Parts: sequence; structure tokens; C-alpha cells
Amino acid sequence: DSGVTQTPKHLITATGQRVTLRCSPRSGDLSVYWYQQSLDQGLQFLIQYYNGEERAKGNILERFSAQQFPDLHSELNLSSLELGDSALYFCASSLGQGRSVDEQFFGPGTRLTVL
Amino acid sequence: AQSVSQHNHHVILSEAASLELGCNYSYGGTVNLFWYVQYPGQHLQLLLKYFSGDPLVKGIKGFEAEFIKSKFSFNLRKPSVQWSDTAEYFCAVNSNYQLIWGAGTKLIIKP
Repeated sequence: DSGVTQTPKHLITATGQRVTLRCSPRSGDLSVYWYQQSLDQGLQFLIQYYNGEERAKGNILERFSAQQFPDLHSELNLSSLELGDSALYFCASSLGQGRSVDEQFFGPGTRLTVL
Repeated sequence: AQSVSQHNHHVILSEAASLELGCNYSYGGTVNLFWYVQYPGQHLQLLLKYFSGDPLVKGIKGFEAEFIKSKFSFNLRKPSVQWSDTAEYFCAVNSNYQLIWGAGTKLIIKP
């Protein structure tokens, strides 16, 4: 158990819908990262937040957005869902101090299926 | 921009065989390097990491990796694999507050 929790574990929804995925980082970690893992694209970094502020952006679509709340949990919002958004969405957390990248601890993921 | 290459996408070995998975990154300077493993149905977990010091890094479960700066490489090794090492292995390099990930290598160990 990494200490990172994600809910829900599974999500099945229809095209055009909007969903919210939730992540709670390890106690003491200030950074949260979101990743998408699919069979054809592999592991893709989406976005990072550090202590409530956006720190880095990867291959995140405009239909997707995220935020980190004062209690440090994070939510990833996916809207206007398409079939191709079906994937495993991982959250990771790290201390996020300084310029070096600390070890990231991964949650169990949310499997999103868009029908 | 920094990039990471894992040249072997699929590797199949028999138990007790030796393992080496390649990882190369695109530019030098100070780098932090990681190998993560994802067992079937599980989340990614850290195998080992290199920040500085001894370029031969030992990780969990008998894995090690060697950082060779001149070759921009950080290959993962294990002298004798077990069936339980069946998993996907990811190499990652830090760049601008984020990790740049390789495409992963799927390792299958035949019992």
C-alpha cells in the first residue's frame, strides 16, 4: 500500500458525459501528479500540482482539467468524454520539494470505461 | 526536450535467466533516474533510483541498475529472474519538475 488513495476504482459512463476522479496523496506529500495509461499510448503524464498550484503540464487535453484543494487532495475532471478516453488514470504523490524530482508514490488507479 | 528510450518492448525469459533492460535518455547534465515496476493488475512502484554517488544502484527484489553518464544509459539488471518478476518495467528521468517516462518493457518469465 503506497498511501495514495483513489476513488472510484471503476467508472463506466457514456460518450459526452463528464466525470470526476479523486486522489488523496500520502500524508505529508505536497505534490500530486495525474497520469493516463492506455494500451496504445502507454503511460502519459497529464498534470502536476504542488501545494495547490499547477506546477507542470503534460499531454492533457483541453477537455480535461484538474485542481488541488487546500487539504491537498486533487480531482481530475474529464468532460465531453470520447471512446478514446477509456484508460487507467493514476494519481501519484511526492514531497515535491526543490528542483529535483522526488520518488513518486502511485495510487491503485481508476479504470474509466467510456461506452 | 528530454526523452527516454526503452528499446525492448517485450522480453520473454526462462526462470533463472539473467536480465538486462535498456534505458537511454537524451541529454546530460544533472539527472535523477528511476526504474518503476507494474505487476499485473497493480499500481506502479519504485524499484530503484539514482540521484548521485555510486553509479551502481541496488534496489528491491535483487534488481540493480548502472548509471553510465557517457552513454546516457541506466540499464536495469537482475542476475537470475523468477516467475514473479513478470511485470512491466518503466524507466524515468527527471526534467523540469516532472518525470519523463519510457514506453515500458513487458517482461514475461516462463516457469
